[in-house]
Amino acid sequence: EDQVTQSPEALRLQEGESSSLNCSYTVSGLRGLFWYRQDPGKGPEFLFTLYSAGEEKEKERLKATLTKKESFLHITAPKPEDSATYLCAVQEGTSGSRLTFGEGTQLTVNP
Amino acid sequence: DSGVTQTPKHLITATGQRVTLRCSPRSGDLSVYWYQQSLDQGLQFLIQYYNGEERAKGNILERFSAQQFPDLHSELNLSSLELGDSALYFCASSLLGQGAGNEQFFGPGTRLTVL
Repeated sequence: EDQVTQSPEALRLQEGESSSLNCSYTVSGLRGLFWYRQDPGKGPEFLFTLYSAGEEKEKERLKATLTKKESFLHITAPKPEDSATYLCAVQEGTSGSRLTFGEGTQLTVNP
Repeated sequence: DSGVTQTPKHLITATGQRVTLRCSPRSGDLSVYWYQQSLDQGLQFLIQYYNGEERAKGNILERFSAQQFPDLHSELNLSSLELGDSALYFCASSLLGQGAGNEQFFGPGTRLTVL
């Protein structure tokens, strides 16, 4: 069974204080690892897809990386508007296109 | 705005009742997915349709059913509702039914409250 574990559950940062969120996964054959951002009461917003170990993608202050066992979402010099829950999900090779999500990391950036 | 629309935004009903949630995918997307998000279980995959056909099933209860119509919109039917069915229900869409690069784009969700 696919498993996705995110840590920490919650993270509080000061504006400008860089940090990383972790997503550990166990799948029989990774087809893709996805990062989403979710604001309270809203639908998840797609950020990145990573396909193979060593791959990196960047978007503004966010950078996602992938190894064979985990992914990191690095946040550089965060701003208060980066406050949200960040969700990691995996797509496994034999289960079609379903996504298995982690529980998320709730990020709060204080001004 | 992802381009995926869901109606209604909020639904309040009583135990034992039946409701229908509606989803319109992004223009051009052939696949629709339904997910349930509750406080204690996170986002859980329910079911996927591709071009009108059921493609994959998750932990969807027998009281729940879905379909995708020829115009590609989808409906999720929830019957004999219980208090524990209260949750956010999200629809997502993607261009294809499977394969790498099949990013899913989520709608704004329907918040279901069962009293």
